[in-house]
Amino acid sequence: GAVVSQHPSRVICKSGTSVKIECRSLDFQATTMFWYRQFPKQSLMLMATSNEGSKATYEQGVEKDKFLINHASLTLSTLTVTSAHPEDSSFYICSASLLGLAGPYNEQFFGPGTRLTVL
Amino acid sequence: DAKTTQPPSMDCAEGRAANLPCNHSTISGNEYVYWYRQIHSQGPQYIIHGLKNNETNEMASLIITEDRKSSTLILPHATLRDTAVYYCIAPTGNQFYFGTGTSLTVIP
Repeated sequence: GAVVSQHPSRVICKSGTSVKIECRSLDFQATTMFWYRQFPKQSLMLMATSNEGSKATYEQGVEKDKFLINHASLTLSTLTVTSAHPEDSSFYICSASLLGLAGPYNEQFFGPGTRLTVL
Repeated sequence: DAKTTQPPSMDCAEGRAANLPCNHSTISGNEYVYWYRQIHSQGPQYIIHGLKNNETNEMASLIITEDRKSSTLILPHATLRDTAVYYCIAPTGNQFYFGTGTSLTVIP
């Protein structure tokens, strides 16, 4: 099956620093990648949608200057949390979609997640 | 996305079938129903999806009512490893908006 990896799996940083999280599709080329955030005991919240070679589309309420997304290739997307603060501490999960289109082949394959703790 | 409604929690005895319902009464004709599950502190795992017909794979079966307003995910022989939060999603486009899901606990 389709495998998506994330790196790092866990990161602790000081307030004010920036953190980069990588998301890779290992055995397929992903037209579209998605970034989610999940707080404890809550559901996943979609942050942004990114297509290779174009700017990401952010969900309402998500600051694009704070959460920088780069999708430079069909197998790699990165999320950079800039000037992180304790309230940014969360579980960040990426997913990748083969075609990125609605319909029968729309399933997303999720990475294992990255636990970010900002001190 | 069609709004989906799921019971917040369910228990199931190990070895028995787990039947997880989902209501999606506002689903439109071309919206598929997807099921994922999330085991604690992991990324969601794809289970199955369907449009109209019932579907079965190695993990589960998906039964969709004729009017498509609801569906049921069936885990035929639940094991302890099936304890997870199960999400039903009916996306309009290619973006998934997760609801609160059903927390399934498989009891020994």
